[in-house]
Amino acid sequence: TQLLEQSPQFLSIQEGENLTVYCNSSSVFSSLQWYRQEPGEGPVLLVTVVTGGEVKKLKRLTFQFGDARKDSSLHITAAQPGDTGLYLCAGAVSGNTGKLIFGQGTTLQVKP
Amino acid sequence: KAGVTQTPRYLIKTRGQQVTLSCSPISGHRSVSWYQQTPGQGLQFLFEYFSETQRNKGNFPGRFSGRQFSNSRSEMNVSTLELGDSALYLCASSRDGISGNTIYFGEGSWLTVV
Repeated sequence: TQLLEQSPQFLSIQEGENLTVYCNSSSVFSSLQWYRQEPGEGPVLLVTVVTGGEVKKLKRLTFQFGDARKDSSLHITAAQPGDTGLYLCAGAVSGNTGKLIFGQGTTLQVKP
Repeated sequence: KAGVTQTPRYLIKTRGQQVTLSCSPISGHRSVSWYQQTPGQGLQFLFEYFSETQRNKGNFPGRFSGRQFSNSRSEMNVSTLELGDSALYLCASSRDGISGNTIYFGEGSWLTVV
């Protein structure tokens, strides 16, 4: 059974602080995706990382895929209240299917 | 372009009843996946349909079933509802799967079983 351990589960910080969310597994994934979900809405894709060691930047968000494609991290620089939400990592099972294995999620609260 | 549409958005059912949820994917997308989201278990994969065929299935009991029509619209059905089936059911569509494609989620159907 493929599992993704996401940490921390909850994070409450002040505006301007930096934070990192981790996603770890003992399994190898063909790709790993990060989503953000607002209350009452479905997850929205932020980024997909495919290659081991890959780093992608999206404004103040930096995503990294581990060399062995078993782990990933999301780093937010100078967090803003608008970053508040549920962040989810999801690993794609090999093969071209619609199956994603999700982490438990990180609820981020950024206080002004 | 229109996003993934799920209906109904909210529904309340009684234990033992059955429920059918509908998902209309983005035009041109042939892959539709269903997920169950609960506070305790997070998002869990139910099944995926591609070109009217179930291509992958998660670890849910047989009470959970689905189908896909020729226009790629999909339905999922839960029979003999249990209290633990209360959850947000999310539908996701993509052109033909995960590889090289973006997955788009609908807003979900909130099911409460009483």
